[in-house]
Amino acid sequence: DVKVTQSSRYLVKRTGEKVFLECVQDMDHENMFWYRQDPGLGLRLIYFSYDVKMKEKGDIPEGYSVSREKKERFSLILESASTNQTSMYLCASSHPGFGGNYEQYFGPGTRLTVT
Amino acid sequence: AQSVTQPDIHITVSEGASLELRCNYSYGATPYLFWYVQSPGQGLQLLLKYFSGDTLVQGIKGFEAEFKRSQSSFNLRKPSVHWSDAAEYFCAVVGGNTDKLIFGTGTRLQVFP
Repeated sequence: DVKVTQSSRYLVKRTGEKVFLECVQDMDHENMFWYRQDPGLGLRLIYFSYDVKMKEKGDIPEGYSVSREKKERFSLILESASTNQTSMYLCASSHPGFGGNYEQYFGPGTRLTVT
Repeated sequence: AQSVTQPDIHITVSEGASLELRCNYSYGATPYLFWYVQSPGQGLQLLLKYFSGDTLVQGIKGFEAEFKRSQSSFNLRKPSVHWSDAAEYFCAVVGGNTDKLIFGTGTRLQVFP
């Protein structure tokens, strides 16, 4: 069965801390994505990657960075966490190519609270 | 730029009643359209998708959606709702010069017994 896992379901961090959110997929997908989900705003794309060592900015990359050293793992990094980064973070993956680039499989999400 | 509008933030229906969730998109050509569902505490799951061809698309869990170009709509329907359908539903679009998914703001469905 297709699976995307995220390292934590719930996380509480202090302002200014460096935060790592990990995502692992077992489907050999080339494409991986990080979104944040906020009430009334839907899902917004932070960063994505179409290959190992490759990354591209999404719609709201400010305050975030990513790392993709292995095909199955895509990490989201908050260099210095701020309270406005309190949110639900969702990771997704997909195959490339027509259709497959859009059919994304999602992890369960990490609810991050920054105090 | 492409955009997706889900005009209903919250919908409540009785179990066994029919359901229609609205989705309107903004895009000049025929977009690729999707419906995802997010059950409480879980990630998003793809319900159905439309790329081309038959404008009535069947999905999982008994859902269907109809693409109407004249109305720029892709509404999700189910003839008889079950309590387990209570969730948040997201419409999404891909189109134009981007290959990224653009999501609507979601519709939360509540089902009463």
